[in-house]
Amino acid sequence: DAGVIQSPRHEVTEMGQEVTLRCKPISGHNSLFWYRQTMMRGLELLIYFNNNVPIDDSGMPEDRFSAKMPNASFSTLKIQPSEPRDSAVYFCASSLQGNAGELFFGEGSRLTVL
Amino acid sequence: DAKTTQPPSMDCAEGRAANLPCNHSTISGNEYVYWYRQIHSQGPQYIIHGLKNNETNEMASLIITEDRKSSTLILPHATLRDTAVYYCIVRVGGAGSYQLTFGKGTKLSVIP
Repeated sequence: DAGVIQSPRHEVTEMGQEVTLRCKPISGHNSLFWYRQTMMRGLELLIYFNNNVPIDDSGMPEDRFSAKMPNASFSTLKIQPSEPRDSAVYFCASSLQGNAGELFFGEGSRLTVL
Repeated sequence: DAKTTQPPSMDCAEGRAANLPCNHSTISGNEYVYWYRQIHSQGPQYIIHGLKNNETNEMASLIITEDRKSSTLILPHATLRDTAVYYCIVRVGGAGSYQLTFGKGTKLSVIP
């Protein structure tokens, strides 16, 4: 079975540019999570969705970040405009609500903002 | 969710059991203990979870003390591929509360 699929795996961009990260959750999963990982702050939850509805976005750092889940098989995390401090690995994870918290993570998208 | 305390790093000889401790002295009665690991450059991977009984699966065993204030993850025969950061997380179970908060974890190095 295909796991959580993220794209792009690597992105290098310049400050001020728009960045869009994409995630395809595991088919049948109805919860989706976006995490960010840096050396300084570790793994931080940015936002999560249940049944395509954002439940908690308190981890989204500021208005430059936005996330959408237009359907059960696709989500995006957008940063506009990007800044060097946004450089991190962004992970998407999905789970089946009611499975007692087993999250399946993608391989991550490594973002570098110059 | 309750806070956890883990040693920052541990070493284990290849083929020996790796015992990773976790303290969660403020755990509530409805909070589960989860273990995940993250191998370098990969996404975190679920290992095991439990509420109060000991649990075992194909990857590991989880031993939770009777007072639930601490737990130990046991990898019975550690291999080099088990070198990773191991995260102990406590979280309320039930519907509508599925986010996991990761701490710094324990960096396990399996030594040949």
